[in-house]
Amino acid sequence: AQTVTQSQPEMSVQEAETVTLSCTYDTSESNYYLFWYKQPPSRQMILVIRQEAYKQQNATENRFSVNFQKAAKSFSLKISDSQLGDTAMYFCAFSGQNFVFGPGTRLSVLP
Amino acid sequence: NAGVTQTPKFRILKIGQSMTLQCTQDMNHNYMYWYRQDPGMGLKLIYYSVGAGITDKGEVPNGYNVSRSTTEDFPLRLELAAPSQTSVYFCASSYPDRGPPNPPLHFGNGTRLTVT
Repeated sequence: AQTVTQSQPEMSVQEAETVTLSCTYDTSESNYYLFWYKQPPSRQMILVIRQEAYKQQNATENRFSVNFQKAAKSFSLKISDSQLGDTAMYFCAFSGQNFVFGPGTRLSVLP
Repeated sequence: NAGVTQTPKFRILKIGQSMTLQCTQDMNHNYMYWYRQDPGMGLKLIYYSVGAGITDKGEVPNGYNVSRSTTEDFPLRLELAAPSQTSVYFCASSYPDRGPPNPPLHFGNGTRLTVT
């Protein structure tokens, strides 16, 4: 069975600075996708970024980028120029035969 | 398109009561999912469906039932509510057989359920 681990329950960062959220996963599958979802206080689940396992190039979406290390089964999220609106829970998710979510990291962006 | 719509947004149940959480999507997605999110935790899969008439158990199915009579609707039934079912419930959908495999899930806004 797949597992997803997020070792940082809480993090904080000053506005305009850069922060990296960690995620590791365990799977025997070779073809899969990885995602980062954001859940603000509104409770809505918002897709931040996705990475296909067969692609070596790291995905980037504006201020959000990932560092995907397939051999190490690591998938970290970097947020550049942090904004107050980035304050949220962030969930790493693995998608192979089914979706598996990590426990989440609560990120606070401080003014 | 409305996307994934869940009703109700909030509900308080007494122990032993029953209720149905409604979920409908208008994107013609064939895959639909029910997750629960306990306070401070990630999402755990309750049930999922790969198409009308087909459902399967996820990680935490006990105490719940589902049906999928149409592509659009995927209701979740709680028969005998227990305090352990106090949680936020999310419905989601996706379309793995159109375009790239394993696309992201589209989520509803959740239902906050309290059982007392």
